[in-house]
Parts: sequence; structure tokens; C-alpha cells
Amino acid sequence: AQSVAQPEDQVNVAEGNPLTVKCTYSVSGNPYLFWYVQYPNRGLQFLLKYITGDNLVKGSYGFEAEFNKSQTSFHLKKPSALVSDSALYFCAVRDNDFNKFYFGSGTKLNVKP
Amino acid sequence: KAGVTQTPRYLIKTRGQQVTLSCSPISGHRSVSWYQQTPGQGLQFLFEYFSETQRNKGNFPGRFSGRQFSNSRSEMNVSTLELGDSALYLCASSSMDTEAFFGQGTRLTVV
Repeated sequence: AQSVAQPEDQVNVAEGNPLTVKCTYSVSGNPYLFWYVQYPNRGLQFLLKYITGDNLVKGSYGFEAEFNKSQTSFHLKKPSALVSDSALYFCAVRDNDFNKFYFGSGTKLNVKP
Repeated sequence: KAGVTQTPRYLIKTRGQQVTLSCSPISGHRSVSWYQQTPGQGLQFLFEYFSETQRNKGNFPGRFSGRQFSNSRSEMNVSTLELGDSALYLCASSSMDTEAFFGQGTRLTVV
């Protein structure tokens, strides 16, 4: 069975500092991993994905994520946080056979000026 | 290219009523999935449709049902509404091997 875990309910960071939002996964087969962001009362917006290839994946808005197979992690990172990055972030893994996504519990990112 | 469109954006219903939500996927996408989002349970998978067939179903009671039309538009229906059905319902469309593209959601409030 596929699952992801986001161990932090909330991450606080000062504007301009680097940020990391953690995600670990458990999958059978090849991992198809994703990060999404959600602003209040909105749907989910795609940030980036790992299917295969380079372990460092670059995505939208300056975000990147590092796939680590030995640690089964897929942490989201950004070198310099912006106040506008404050939102709810979800890590997800996709089922191997179907377009069914398993989401983590979400991490609320607070970026303070 | 138009995104995923969900209608209506907001709904208020009374317990015991039924409701139908609509989702128009991105043109060319044949797979449509539905998710329920609540503060307590997070994002939970309801079902997925592909070419008018339900391929996968989550762990929800039979009051939750859906269908997909030949143009890939999808509807989900919830009958005999309960207070606990209050949630943001999200629809996602995708092709195989791509990310899911989400609509803005329908906020359902059951009173």
C-alpha cells in the first residue's frame, strides 16, 4: 500500500531564510511523488513531481525537492522564503496503476516578515 | 487551456437532503478523481472514473456515488446528507503519468 507522512503540522520560518517541509513515503513499486500547495478556500496547485531521473527536482515558484531512496524521503525546499509562500503544503504519492493520490496530512508553512 | 471547473463553488444543504456536484476536467483528460477534504480527516479519496467507468473507490458509504459522461465531465452525488458531510470536495483530472490538476473545489455545508 502507498502512503506518505508529513511529520510536522506547522513550520515557521523568517522571510529570506531557507525552508524545508518534510515528507517520507512508503510505496510498493516505483514511487511517483508530488508536492502540492493550497491557499485558503482554494484547490490544490501542483508544485513539482518526481517520477524518475535526477534526485533533485525543480518546480514552480523557486521550490525544489530532493528524492532520497535510502531514507524514503522527498523533502520540499526553497533557498529563500517569501511571506507569500505561507500556505498549506501536501506531499502525495500516486498509485502505480490508477490516478489515485495518497496525500499526507499537510504542513502549514508560516513565513514571517 | 482551461483548467478544471467545479460547480457550484458553495452549497448549503439541510440534513437528509441530497446534493450533486459537477466537475469539468481539462480537455483531453479522461480520468477524473474526487476527494473530500476536512480539517479532521485531511484529503480522502472518494473515487476515480476513467472513460465512464469507476476504476477505484475509496472507503466511503454508499451514499456517495458518482458518474462520468462521454465528454469526461463527472458528477458526484451525496444522498441523505449528514452534518459530517460538510467539507471541501475537490475534483482532479489527469492523464496517465502526469500530475493531477485540481479544481477550486465545492464547499458543502450541511446544516
